[in-house]
Order: sequence, then C-alpha cells, then structure tokens
Amino acid sequence: GQGVEQPDNLMSVEGTFARVNCTYSTSGFNGLSWYQQREGHAPVFLSYVVLDGLKDSGHFSTFLSRSNGYSYLLLTELQIKDSASYLCAVRAPNYNVLYFGSGTKLTVEP
Amino acid sequence: GPKVLQIPSHQIIDMGQMVTLNCDPVSNHLYFYWYKQILGQQMEFLVNFYNGKVMEKSKLFKDQFSVERPDGSYFTLKIQPTALEDSAVYFCASSAVSNERLFFGHGTKLSVL
Repeated sequence: GQGVEQPDNLMSVEGTFARVNCTYSTSGFNGLSWYQQREGHAPVFLSYVVLDGLKDSGHFSTFLSRSNGYSYLLLTELQIKDSASYLCAVRAPNYNVLYFGSGTKLTVEP
Repeated sequence: GPKVLQIPSHQIIDMGQMVTLNCDPVSNHLYFYWYKQILGQQMEFLVNFYNGKVMEKSKLFKDQFSVERPDGSYFTLKIQPTALEDSAVYFCASSAVSNERLFFGHGTKLSVL
C-alpha cells in the first residue's frame, strides 16, 4: 500500500524557519515531491528529490533519507505569504503516479 | 508557465445524473491524471491515462467512472450515475514523458445533491 504521513498543522513566526516533516511507507519508491497548495487553488510544484541528503533551493530546501522513509521541507526567512498547505507526495515506480499525504497547514504569524 | 485548465470550476447536479468534468492539459504532455480531494482531506489518486489507455486506477475509481481523451481534445472524467459521496474537488494534472513534475489545474468542485 501507499502510506504517506504528515502532521496536520504547523505554526511559526515571520522571519524564522519552519520544517515540514513527512514519513512514508510505500510499496516501491521512485522519488518524493513537495507541493504548495493554497485553499481553493491548484497544488504548485516546489521540489523533487530521489537521492539522500539535503537539496538547497534557496527559500525552500528538501531533505531525504530513503532508509528511514523520511523527508522534510525547510522554509527559511518565513514570510506571511508562506502560509499555505504543504503536500508531500511519493512517486510509485510505475506510471508516474504520485501518492499524497494529507498535507501540513503552515501558519506564519507576525 | 504551462497551465492546465479545468472546466467548469463548479458543477452542481442531482444524485443519479451524469456529469463530465473537462480538462485541457499542457499541450506537449502525454500523461494525464485525475485526483479527488474532499475538503480538508488528502489528494487521492483516481486514475492515470497514457496513449489512449488507462494505465493505473485506484479503488476510488468506481465502475461508474470513465476517462477518455478523444482526438487530443479535452481529457474528461465522466461519472454516470453520480452518488452523494462523489461530492469533492476533482483535480486534473498532466506531465511530460519522463518528468518528475505534475502540473495541476485549479480543480472542479462537484456538488451532488
């Protein structure tokens, strides 16, 4: 089966950072993606990782540990507009299918 | 950037009726997907479609569901007949052949009364 787990909510303060965690237990693994979704809008692609380690993309960084079935999305220099849901999605080996977690709603406070 | 368009944005129908949700994917993409999201819950995979065929479908893709993309036009999801539990936002997505990125539309909110 495809199990992708994320905490429901996360709060942080403007100017600081937030780490959104994701754990997965899936039958096969072919990469992990992070998407940002604002209420009533389409998910927007942020990052894709398939190798272990930290991938620094500036405002967003992504970490992956395949042996632990764990990833996180790190947002630095938080702004109020970073408030959104962040979706973790694991790619199955076949047919490009993404299996999503339930998303973490990040609230950035002043 | 590339956009996936979904029509309509909101559809209200009576239980038992047929509904067709339309998706205009990114023009050079070859893989197409439908996902279902009930308010406050996760995006759930329904089906993906390539080269005129369903490649994989989930348990949520009931017998009442069908997809097609006739002659390169809209990629459609048809539900016939609809049930109350079909009420959700349906997201269409497309991707290139060997691309890790899915492009999503803004979704069609389906309300079955």
